[in-house]
Parts: sequence; C-alpha cells; structure tokens
Amino acid sequence: AQSVTQLGSHVSVSEGALVLLRCNYSSSVPPYLFWYVQYPNQGLQLLLKYTTGATLVKGINGFEAEFKKSETSFHLTKPSAHMSDAAEYFCAVTLSGGYNKLIFGAGTRLAVHP
Amino acid sequence: DTEVTQTPKHLVMGMTNKKSLKCEQHMGHRAMYWYKQKAKKPPELMFVYSYEKLSINESVPSRFSPECPNSSLLNLHLHALQPEDSALYLCASSHGQGGSYNEQFFGPGTRLTVL
Repeated sequence: AQSVTQLGSHVSVSEGALVLLRCNYSSSVPPYLFWYVQYPNQGLQLLLKYTTGATLVKGINGFEAEFKKSETSFHLTKPSAHMSDAAEYFCAVTLSGGYNKLIFGAGTRLAVHP
Repeated sequence: DTEVTQTPKHLVMGMTNKKSLKCEQHMGHRAMYWYKQKAKKPPELMFVYSYEKLSINESVPSRFSPECPNSSLLNLHLHALQPEDSALYLCASSHGQGGSYNEQFFGPGTRLTVL
C-alpha cells in the first residue's frame, strides 16, 4: 500500500530564507510523486511532479524537489522564501499505471515572516 | 483552455434540500474526480470517472450521487445531507488512467455548508 508522510505540520521561515518541506513516501513499486500548493479558499495548484527520468525536478514559482529512491524522499525546496509563498503544501503519490488515485500527505502549512 | 471550473463557488443548503455541484473542463481530459476536503485536512477522494464511466466509488454515502453527462462535465447531486458533510468539494481532471499523463488539474472548489 502507498502512503505519504509530511514531516512538520507547520513550518515558519523568514522572508529570503531557505524553504524546506519534507515528504517521505512508502510504495512497493516506483511511484509518481507530486507537490501541490493550496492558497486559502482555493483549489490545489500543481507545483511540480516526478514521473521518470531526472531526479531533480524544477517547478513553478522557483520551487524544486529531488527524488531520492534510497531515502524514499521527495523534499520540496526554494532558495529564498517570498511572503506570497505562505500557503498549505501537499505531497502526493500515485502508482504508475492503473487508476489515478492520489494519496495525499497531511499537509504542511508554510508561514513566511518579514 | 487549461482550467477546471466549478459552480457554484458557495452553497448553503438545508438537510432536506436537493442541490447539485457542477464541474467543467475543456482540456480533452478523459478522467474526472470528486474530492471532499475538510478544514485543515488533505483532500479525500470520493469518485473517479474514466471515459464517462464510474471507475472508483470510495464507499461514499448514497446521499452523494455523481453523474458524468459527457467527457467535459461532471456533476455531484446532493440530497438529504448532514451538517458533517459541510466541506470544500473539489473537482479535478486528468488525461486518463495511468501512464505519464496522470497529473490532476484541480478546480477552485465549492464551499458547501449544510444547516
């Protein structure tokens, strides 16, 4: 069975500081991995995805994530936080092939302070 | 058009009402989804339609009834809901089952309040 664990339900950083949001997955087969962002009272927007190929994935808004199979991790990073990055972030996994059932982590709320 | 639209944006209904949520996409996607999201929680999958056929029903109560009239439209019919059904209802779509095109695009959601 697949599962996703996001370490830290709340992360707080200063504007301009590094953002690191952690995601570990559990899957018996190679997964597809996603990071979504949700701003208040809005739907989810895809930040980036890992399917196959290059393990360092670049997404929108300056975010990137690295797939590390040996660590079963897919942590999200951004070198310099902006106030506009404050939102809820969800890591999600689905299996390649078959139905597209996304399994979400519990989410991490990112706060950015001036 | 790379957008999933949902109407209405907000809905307040009583426990005896019948209402419907609507979702539309014009990206040529053949899979569409309904999710329920409670406050401070991740989305929970309710239903998946693939090529206009119901593929997954995650043991959702029968007071929620999905419908996929065509490949661009997805409805969620609501009847005799309970206050605990109050939540944000999200629609999503994707190219289809499996493969590399399984990225899901989400709509803005309908905020449902059941009184």
